[in-house]
Amino acid sequence: GAVVSQHPSRVICKSGTSVKIECRSLDFQATTMFWYRQFPKKSLMLMATSNEGSKATYEQGVEKDKFLINHASLTLSTLTVTSAHPEDSSFYICSARGTSGRVHEQFFGPGTRLTVL
Amino acid sequence: QKEVEQNSGPLSVPEGAIASLNCTYSDRGSQSFFWYRQYSGKSPELIMSIYSNGDKEDGRFTAQLNKASQYVSLLIRDSQPSDSATYLCAVNGGNFNKFYFGSGTKLNVKP
Repeated sequence: GAVVSQHPSRVICKSGTSVKIECRSLDFQATTMFWYRQFPKKSLMLMATSNEGSKATYEQGVEKDKFLINHASLTLSTLTVTSAHPEDSSFYICSARGTSGRVHEQFFGPGTRLTVL
Repeated sequence: QKEVEQNSGPLSVPEGAIASLNCTYSDRGSQSFFWYRQYSGKSPELIMSIYSNGDKEDGRFTAQLNKASQYVSLLIRDSQPSDSATYLCAVNGGNFNKFYFGSGTKLNVKP
């Protein structure tokens, strides 16, 4: 149980394009999902917390207009990197907070590696 | 001051030895504590959670929590080369939606 998927696993795009990443909880309903980014050999950096049916809460320094988050259902959250630039190249990972006795735990998706040329 | 502190390592242990990973946290009101394992190029995987003082064992892994000292540790017995990874300590405060991750300790288990 508590499986989270992400799609795509890897994406290469040209500078200026927008990229959408999907995060799905496969066998449970996730009222809360989290989006992280991680640079090589660095720690996880929380970008935003996404609650189903409401606006995401962004961490300080994260541009909400650049990183659009939508959590339209209890099993799907999306992150759209708008007008991507090479400095946005990173490993993006989503996670979902558990339910039914595992609400204190986070379960991570496999991540999406974004390369912006 | 960081919310969660870990020694970045690398921590090197020989195969079959006990690996001891440590973590301290600053929020005395923290309720839940987790250890994640992250292989290079992969996302974190939850391996242990602990909520009350004392030890919790799961196979070769033992998590230890001391709330008075604001300290949580992970012991890996009979370490294997496949245990080589970065181990992340995470702490959840009273707010379910606030998780704090340490920067991780890199463990190398030498055959």
